[in-house]
Amino acid sequence: NAGVTQTPKFRVLKTGQSMTLLCAQDMNHEYMYWYRQDPGMGLRLIHYSVGEGTTAKGEVPDGYNVSRLKKQNFLLGLESAAPSQTSVYFCASSYIQGQGLNTEAFFGQGTRLTVV
Amino acid sequence: AQSVTQLDSHVSVSEGTPVLLRCNYSSSYSPSLFWYVQHPNKGLQLLLKYTSAATLVKGINGFEAEFKKSETSFHLTKPSAHMSDAAEYFCVVSPPGSARQLTFGSGTQLTVLP
Repeated sequence: NAGVTQTPKFRVLKTGQSMTLLCAQDMNHEYMYWYRQDPGMGLRLIHYSVGEGTTAKGEVPDGYNVSRLKKQNFLLGLESAAPSQTSVYFCASSYIQGQGLNTEAFFGQGTRLTVV
Repeated sequence: AQSVTQLDSHVSVSEGTPVLLRCNYSSSYSPSLFWYVQHPNKGLQLLLKYTSAATLVKGINGFEAEFKKSETSFHLTKPSAHMSDAAEYFCVVSPPGSARQLTFGSGTQLTVLP
């Protein structure tokens, strides 16, 4: 059971280059998220999706775009990478149980991105 | 609006002694609360969760946490630390029915001394 899988695991980009991070989940979850993790700041939400074909901005969306064309996949794009986007990126998925109770989020292993 | 504050950025304990990691939250609603652990260069793993059932929640690896509404706290404890507990711990708050609004604390780095 793979859970949440992120590719790639590591990447080095030059300023101005573009790239796409792929997240795939096999748990049939409705909700998917992209976070970035920076030292001393916990995880901050970049974008999220509450279902196939829908996306929304999180806390720090600038410089990123996302797409959710299939329920199991959530893509994060950087159109023109900047050094400030050097970070560890985590994808997660979750669902809502009955009675509106939140389940936990399931996380991928992370992508370490360096922009030089 | 909601927020979560982890009161200690670093905690050091000796192996075999108790662990206490403190978390206070602020939420307009009765929230769901979670503790996650992150070992170096790894993803986040769920330790335990509170979702309006029993206020004392037991998790994996001997950890537990108590939801105290009057104190708006959700502190994580373990009676006896093990070397393998050394990691970063995150407290997370979410209002019910709004999974998109997961709010993370800034993390507590736990060091376990031999």
